Amino acid sequence: GAVVSQHPSWVICKSGTSVKIECRSLDFQATTMFWYRQFPKQSLMLMATSNEGSKATYEQGVEKDKFLINHASLTLSTLTVTSAHPEDSSFYICSAGNRANYGYTFGSGTRLTVV
Amino acid sequence: QKEVEQDPGPLSVPEGAIVSLNCTYSNSAFQYFMWYRQYSRKGPELLMYTYSSGNKEDGRFTAQVDKSSKYISLFIRDSQPSDSATYLCAMGWGNAGNMLTFGGGTRLMVKP
Repeated sequence: GAVVSQHPSWVICKSGTSVKIECRSLDFQATTMFWYRQFPKQSLMLMATSNEGSKATYEQGVEKDKFLINHASLTLSTLTVTSAHPEDSSFYICSAGNRANYGYTFGSGTRLTVV
Repeated sequence: QKEVEQDPGPLSVPEGAIVSLNCTYSNSAFQYFMWYRQYSRKGPELLMYTYSSGNKEDGRFTAQVDKSSKYISLFIRDSQPSDSATYLCAMGWGNAGNMLTFGGGTRLMVKP
């Protein structure tokens, strides 16, 4: 079945530093990848949609200069949290859209803690 | 009003019970409907995926869609402690490039 690998699974960083999260589709081509953020006991909130080879589309209220998304290939998208602050601490999850069956496969998530 | 409404729970049931999880939605453009299960600190995993109104069964799980009422349900039979998780409904339209709209999730606890 479709597998999406997300790394790292958890990361602790100092305030002001940048963190990169990778999302890879291992056995299918993901023309579209989505990045979500989830606060404790809350649902997934879409941050941005990225299409391979083009700029990401950000949801209202999401700072595109802070959350840099790159979708350079059909199997890899990255989310970079720049100049991270404690309020950026959250669970970040990617998902990849597979045109073959309309399915969406999620990565395992990355827990970011900014100290 | 949110596009997708889901009772947050928590829902606590004894082992072996039948569980009913529900979502209502307002956007009639939604064409496909999904249920995800999310364990704590893990990414969601797809449980069920349906296109049309009616029932779809997979093992102990049954997904039900009523487009006329804009209402979907997930039934879990013979619930197990391992079913304890947060269940998210999600729905979408168009091709795989369109984003999903998620319910808020229902936390389920199955007690042995």
